[in-house]
Amino acid sequence: NAGVTQTPKFRVLKTGQSMTLLCAQDMNHEYMYWYRQDPGMGLRLIHYSVGEGTTAKGEVPDGYNVSRLKKQNFLLGLESAAPSQTSVYFCASSTGHGAQIGYTFGSGTRLTVV
Amino acid sequence: KQEVTQIPAALSVPEGENLVLNCSFTDSAIYNLQWFRQDPGKGLTSLLLIQSSQREQTSGRLNASLDKSSGRSTLYIAASQPGDSATYLCAVRPRTGANNLFFGTGTRLTVIP
Repeated sequence: NAGVTQTPKFRVLKTGQSMTLLCAQDMNHEYMYWYRQDPGMGLRLIHYSVGEGTTAKGEVPDGYNVSRLKKQNFLLGLESAAPSQTSVYFCASSTGHGAQIGYTFGSGTRLTVV
Repeated sequence: KQEVTQIPAALSVPEGENLVLNCSFTDSAIYNLQWFRQDPGKGLTSLLLIQSSQREQTSGRLNASLDKSSGRSTLYIAASQPGDSATYLCAVRPRTGANNLFFGTGTRLTVIP
């Protein structure tokens, strides 16, 4: 009954370092998403995937890469972290995009880049 | 681009009061609207989802309404409790480019015992 699980929960990076955030869902959802949440700006879509092996850019994709090698996992990578990427990152999943379909969110990863 | 606005940004009420949170959006071509709750340092918990063909949804003390033509939704909380203190976010899923949710910046609710 885990839903959407994100690891790690907290991380501090130095500028220029790289890291990967992992999102795992156990609901057999086709669609997965990465959002970032910044004060006063609401959540914004970084990248998303509509199925295993697919990825697409969202509203703010620059500086990030993603991979969906397995249906249940969606990875978000930062190749060279910048202070502007300090944020809270949320992963979400859904079964599709019909009118009755809602999103399920993970608990977030708080990333600080110094 | 769809824009979502939530007013007020913060609200403080005494316990037991009924209250209304507001959400407005600029493009009425939506699949649905979803209300979420976010506790400090936590993730988002889905409260209610209203499909574009629906007018309202209810869950316990919560009632959400949708007026698509005017681009408005309200979340009504009856008999508020201190445990209702959280940030409430609304998000719309547009019909075009539908692989995204557009979020408001939230209303931070404090219920005073």
